[in-house]
Amino acid sequence: GAGVSQSPSNKVTEKGKDVELRCDPISGHTALYWYRQSLGQGLEFLIYFQGNSAPDKSGLPSDRFSAERTGGSVSTLTIQRTQQEDSAVYLCASSLEGQVYKNYNSPLHFGNGTRLTVT
Amino acid sequence: TQLLEQSPQFLSIQEGENLTVYCNSSSVFSSLQWYRQEPGEGPVLLVTVVTGGEVKKLKRLTFQFGDARKDSSLHITAAQPGDTGLYLCAGASGGSNYKLTFGKGTLLTVNP
Repeated sequence: GAGVSQSPSNKVTEKGKDVELRCDPISGHTALYWYRQSLGQGLEFLIYFQGNSAPDKSGLPSDRFSAERTGGSVSTLTIQRTQQEDSAVYLCASSLEGQVYKNYNSPLHFGNGTRLTVT
Repeated sequence: TQLLEQSPQFLSIQEGENLTVYCNSSSVFSSLQWYRQEPGEGPVLLVTVVTGGEVKKLKRLTFQFGDARKDSSLHITAAQPGDTGLYLCAGASGGSNYKLTFGKGTLLTVNP
């Protein structure tokens, strides 16, 4: 079946503008994650959804970042008043359940990311 | 804050050579995963190890989880150009078992 789909694949925006990044997880996956990958850095956890709820938003860098998930499926990550330091690849992943470490049948499946460039 | 240090950061070798990359931490992890990422794509899971001392083999790749569950290694035998990519290790801890802490990765280039 289809994997995790992210759009757009590339986004160039001017400093101060708002952007929305979209993630379509694998059908039936209850858990959804957003990570950020900056040049020379590892993947940085942003937020975790279980269904439509976000029990852990601790990785969101500032209140300019927000995310929602609707219908237990599509998620959007919104960045308001973008800054140059927001430039990165934003990766979305989904898994059958949220129990990453115990459930071998619930690995993370990543999308190809959205490359955001703020000029 | 849990950190995972990967070494080396860059590795360029010839086809047929063997190599080992390392993932180290001062923290204990409940499990550790290895991913490979190619340019323009998301990471793809290679293996999950959960037991201290565990060794897993996938064809020419051998993964080991340290006895204390603080470190891991990935050994590739007879590397091929198709092994080229960014290798990432990621650890999960029992307190937040959905959240992975990633290392910065080892960028491997295998030259024909």
